[in-house]
Amino acid sequence: NAGVTQTPKFQVLKTGQSMTLQCAQDMNHEYMSWYRQDPGMGLRLIHYSVGAGITDQGEVPNGYNVSRSTTEDFPLRLLSAAPSQTSVYFCASSYDGNTEAFFGQGTRLTVV
Amino acid sequence: GQSLEQPSEVTAVEGAIVQINCTYQTSGFYGLSWYQQHDGGAPTFLSYNALDGLEETGRFSSFLSRSDSYGYLLLQELQMKDSASYFCAMLNSGGYQKVTFGIGTKLQVIP
Repeated sequence: NAGVTQTPKFQVLKTGQSMTLQCAQDMNHEYMSWYRQDPGMGLRLIHYSVGAGITDQGEVPNGYNVSRSTTEDFPLRLLSAAPSQTSVYFCASSYDGNTEAFFGQGTRLTVV
Repeated sequence: GQSLEQPSEVTAVEGAIVQINCTYQTSGFYGLSWYQQHDGGAPTFLSYNALDGLEETGRFSSFLSRSDSYGYLLLQELQMKDSASYFCAMLNSGGYQKVTFGIGTKLQVIP
């Protein structure tokens, strides 16, 4: 059972480049979220989804897009990377919002 | 607005008991969760409280008081491997239900 799989694990981008962080889960969870983690800031919610076709913004959505065309996948798109987006990104999934969330291993992104 | 507050750092002795407090503010509260994260790792779930009272899971317990907008995580018989960051997270409304995390408390267990 793979759980939550994030790819890539590491990425270096140049300012202005775009890319997609992939997240897939095999637990048939409806609820999926993207967080970024910066030193001293905890985990901040970027976007989340409560089911296929349904997404909403979190605390820090600017500069990121998401879509949820299937239950399994929830990709995060950086439209035009900026140094301020250097961070560790975590994807999480859960059966619903009030049950255990399973996290992927994270993507360490550096924007230069 | 929505916010959670928890101490940034706590130090405790191996074998002792430590309590990590969390206060929250939100207009639509459903419940409080706790997660553990070791350096370089991903957060892992510890507990969830939707109702007032104490939930016990082995050496870890979590408490919630909805009237005081307050919860805590209690770690007993501390072990060196408990050195990690601990996050409280609230399930709240605002659009759909969403989970908002605190900044985390870094626990250092010393011999």
